Amino acid sequence: ETGVTQTPRHLVMGMTNKKSLKCEQHLGHNAMYWYKQSAKKPLELMFVYNFKEQTENNSVPSRFSPECPNSSHLFLHLHTLQPEDSALYLCASSQDPKGGNEQYFGPGTRLTVT
Amino acid sequence: KQEVTQIPAALSVPEGENLVLNCSFTDSAIYNLQWFRQDPGKGLTSLLLIQSSQREQTSGRLNASLDKSSGRSTLYIAASQPGDSATYLCAQCRSGGGADGLTFGKGTHLIIQP
Repeated sequence: ETGVTQTPRHLVMGMTNKKSLKCEQHLGHNAMYWYKQSAKKPLELMFVYNFKEQTENNSVPSRFSPECPNSSHLFLHLHTLQPEDSALYLCASSQDPKGGNEQYFGPGTRLTVT
Repeated sequence: KQEVTQIPAALSVPEGENLVLNCSFTDSAIYNLQWFRQDPGKGLTSLLLIQSSQREQTSGRLNASLDKSSGRSTLYIAASQPGDSATYLCAQCRSGGGADGLTFGKGTHLIIQP
């Protein structure tokens, strides 16, 4: 069991739905990340937050909206998604720069868009 | 564009063999390199982290090396066991000034035959 939890673990949503993914880290870290893992492709970085401030948006479509209310919680709000957005969404955290950017991952949310 | 390549894409060996997984990266501005293990449908488990100032790290039967000049890292697994079967991912971190996302390879799918 890792110190990073994600809910829900599985989600099926229609293209007109609005849903949110939640990530919580219990490690006292200051940085949090969203990654997307699609079949046959490498993990792709989506967003980076450092001390609640977004420091990187990797050209992610606006139908994905992140929110980081504090250093322990990270959300990914989803709306009007496409079937190609179906993937495993992984959250990670790290303690930077003291922690050397060693990232710890949650179990992921398996998203299916119908 | 920063790229990480892993060879081979898949590997199947009998139990007890020693094996080497390869990772190469194109961006010489490396801060650290991290090796992960991913079991089917699950999140990532961190195995080893090598800082750019280090040449290798060891944990149990695992040894990871880093050669910045050639842009390569290897993960050596000694005395392989069926429980080692998983996908192994390497990921490069460029910057150490603060939180920075990782660039991943596609992974090596490893099967250890009993």
